[in-house]
Amino acid sequence: NAGVTQTPKFRILKIGQSMTLQCAQDMNHNYMYWYRQDPGMGLKLIYYSVGAGITDKGEVPNGYNVSRSTTEDFPLRLELAAPSQTSVYFCASSYRDSGELFFGEGSRLTVL
Amino acid sequence: ILNVEQSPQSLHVQEGDSTNFTCSFPSSNFYALHWYRWETAKSPEALFVMTLNGDEKKKGRISATLNTKEGYSYLYIKGSQPEDSATYLCALRVFGNEKLTFGTGTRLTIIP
Repeated sequence: NAGVTQTPKFRILKIGQSMTLQCAQDMNHNYMYWYRQDPGMGLKLIYYSVGAGITDKGEVPNGYNVSRSTTEDFPLRLELAAPSQTSVYFCASSYRDSGELFFGEGSRLTVL
Repeated sequence: ILNVEQSPQSLHVQEGDSTNFTCSFPSSNFYALHWYRWETAKSPEALFVMTLNGDEKKKGRISATLNTKEGYSYLYIKGSQPEDSATYLCALRVFGNEKLTFGTGTRLTIIP
């Protein structure tokens, strides 16, 4: 029972590089989210999706892009990485809008 | 931007003692209030999803109450055990908005 799977778990990027964080869920959840965790700041929503083909910005979308071509996958793309994007990124999904979130294990990204 | 506040920020409790902490949120347009437990080096796991004013939910030694009219929820832990050490997050969803806004959490440490 895989749940929410994120890859990679760790990555070091140089300033200006780009990369994609992958997120896949096998629970047939419609809602998917990307959060970042900064020390003392809790979880901040980057982007979310309520279904395939539909995405919307969260609180901190600048520097990121997402797509949702299938129900299962919700990749997060970082363009032109900056040190401010050093963080731990969590992908999550839920079955419906008031349902509990199921989180992936997190991806620790360092931009140097 | 919704203001979800948790207090205290951190808490040290002797093993066997009971404890509680607070989540405060705007009372207007309330839809759902979530509680999550987040152990170090793991991902957050759902404890409760509460939707009705006056709701009380219980899972083992942990329980939660909800007051949507005054905008607060309490999480109680009875007879604290070392495995209760974690950060406890609350999160708010309001009507007309699919986003879940997290508080910054209460970090609980149980002293053996």
